[in-house]
Amino acid sequence: KAGVTQTPRYLIKTRGQQVTLSCSPISGHRSVSWYQQTPGQGLQFLFEYFSETQRNKGNFPGRFSGRQFSNSRSEMNVSTLELGDSALYLCASSLAGRGQQYFGPGTRLTVT
Amino acid sequence: EDKVVQSPLSLVVHEGDTVTLNCSYEVTNFRSLLWYKQEKKAPTFLFMLTSSGIEKKSGRLSSILDKKELFSILNITATQTGDSAIYLCAVEAPRTGTASKLTFGTGTRLQVTL
Repeated sequence: KAGVTQTPRYLIKTRGQQVTLSCSPISGHRSVSWYQQTPGQGLQFLFEYFSETQRNKGNFPGRFSGRQFSNSRSEMNVSTLELGDSALYLCASSLAGRGQQYFGPGTRLTVT
Repeated sequence: EDKVVQSPLSLVVHEGDTVTLNCSYEVTNFRSLLWYKQEKKAPTFLFMLTSSGIEKKSGRLSSILDKKELFSILNITATQTGDSAIYLCAVEAPRTGTASKLTFGTGTRLQVTL
């Protein structure tokens, strides 16, 4: 079975721009979660989607949004980028949202 | 707010040593505790613990959970250089019944030297 894939792997943007990141879960997995990882804060939960519905949301500003499609693929969007948004963005999938999550390789976003 | 604290933050040991990594938590609606290993990018799953006192073991790695004292430990015996990584502890504590939400600690960076 193919693992979780994320595109792009690396991205450089300037302040004020917006960005869209994509995540394809493991086949059959319906839950997709997104995390932001920075050296100072560690891994922080952004949101979780299940069957195209956002079920859970972390403490991030409204500039961070996401969606999930009927094939369970998910996208995350960050608008009006700030320098502090530079991070590794990881997505993880699971069958139904409980227990073990399988992580993708991440997208490294650099905001200049 | 849910909180997961790992200690130590970093650790340098010699190959062959035994190490113990700690994870304590304060969460509401605890469901499970998970350990992950992160070497380059994607964290890879090690253990999931739901019941107190039952040790999970995989090769040289083992882990146990204490739900009364709200902590878990991850032991690595006979460490090898390939064990060098960041070890992440996460607690599954969803706000709603079926949703998923992992709260991570900041991790323990382990370096194993020859």
